[in-house]
Amino acid sequence: EAQVTQNPRYLITVTGKKLTVTCSQNMNHEYMSWYRQDPGLGLRQIYYSMNVEVTDKGDVPEGYKVSRKEKRNFPLILESPSPNQTSLYFCASSLSGASEQFFGPGTRLTVL
Amino acid sequence: GENVEQHPSTLSVQEGDSAVIKCTYSDSASNYFPWYKQELGKRPQLIIDIRSNVGEKKDQRIAVTLNKTAKHFSLHITETQPEDSAVYFCAASTYGNNRLAFGKGNQVVVIP
Repeated sequence: EAQVTQNPRYLITVTGKKLTVTCSQNMNHEYMSWYRQDPGLGLRQIYYSMNVEVTDKGDVPEGYKVSRKEKRNFPLILESPSPNQTSLYFCASSLSGASEQFFGPGTRLTVL
Repeated sequence: GENVEQHPSTLSVQEGDSAVIKCTYSDSASNYFPWYKQELGKRPQLIIDIRSNVGEKKDQRIAVTLNKTAKHFSLHITETQPEDSAVYFCAASTYGNNRLAFGKGNQVVVIP
């Protein structure tokens, strides 16, 4: 089954404790992206990757890191989480930035 | 960068009536315009998209129209049903840019 998976689905953590949210896709897509969704602000792109070892900033990259060492995986790293990073995070994959995005189930992160 | 705005933010319609959501974009180079539907507690899913070489596209009860001169595109839902109740996001992208900018979303409520 073609899918995008994210782990964990829910996470409560404390300020400053490094965390990683994993994202994996099995559709051989070159393009992967991370979004955060906040009430009233819609979906905002954090980082995207056009291929292995190629990443670029989206609209709200501050406080986040990503890596793309393998085509199928695109982890999101918060080195020192802060409460303003409390949000719903979605990973997505697609053939390109101008084609259908397949979203993962979402990760709800709370930073205390 | 691209700025996408959606109007109205909330739309209530009687079951069976039509719903129209309009999006405006700022970058005249944008040439890919998707619409995503997000039901409560679920991930966004593509419902229809249009490219700039086409003025209108239909898929059953859903249609999208594009006015490149005015830089706006609209989602039309006819014969609305309760299952059409959701948040709808428009987005815009440019080939070769690889960044997808989303609007803030429209809450559509279909009243039985």
